[in-house]
Amino acid sequence: DTAVSQTPKYLVTQMGNDKSIKCEQNLGHDTMYWYKQDSKKFLKIMFSYNNKELIINETVPNRFSPKSPDKAHLNLHINSLELGDSAVYFCASSQDWGGSYFGPGTRLLVL
Amino acid sequence: QKEVEQNSGPLSVPEGAIASLNCTYSDRGSQSFFWYRQYSGKSPELIMFIYSNGDKEDGRFTAQLNKASQYVSLLIRDSQPSDSATYLCAPQASGGSNYKLTFGKGTLLTVNP
Repeated sequence: DTAVSQTPKYLVTQMGNDKSIKCEQNLGHDTMYWYKQDSKKFLKIMFSYNNKELIINETVPNRFSPKSPDKAHLNLHINSLELGDSAVYFCASSQDWGGSYFGPGTRLLVL
Repeated sequence: QKEVEQNSGPLSVPEGAIASLNCTYSDRGSQSFFWYRQYSGKSPELIMFIYSNGDKEDGRFTAQLNKASQYVSLLIRDSQPSDSATYLCAPQASGGSNYKLTFGKGTLLTVNP
């Protein structure tokens, strides 16, 4: 059974478009995250929600907007996509002790 | 900016050898430390965590923590080709951001048969 799932796995789109990535976890965790891994493989946190409340909001362009309809779901909407947004976006979840479990990733390519 | 530094790879070891992966961190308040393994094209996978100074062993993996030196390491004994991956060190941030993990850039390990 998939613990953290993301859709879509691949996303190829044109500059200026708006796209969304969805994430769901069935682990019963309270906290969910979005991470970005760039071409140099550097993994950096973008957002974190705890029980639907935004608790971490790193320096991310406001074109990126997360939404958590419930504690099992965390979506990421990106407006006006730019070339530099091309990366792998990972969703993750954790319980209080901090160890995070990652989804399979969404590979975004902006042309 | 809290920083995490890992030994620059790639690190190449023969099969059966011990692989040693090192990590230093700048956040003195970090209390929990995580090691992730990431195969090429895959997502990070949690393999070890350590909270207390000293050693923690789990199978062929041993994590070592020295908070005074702000140093954490991962030893892989009897390395196997299947251990070939990038290993990411991730201290948990202190204070109000204790849900936040700061990842190092990773060390690429290659185990040669």
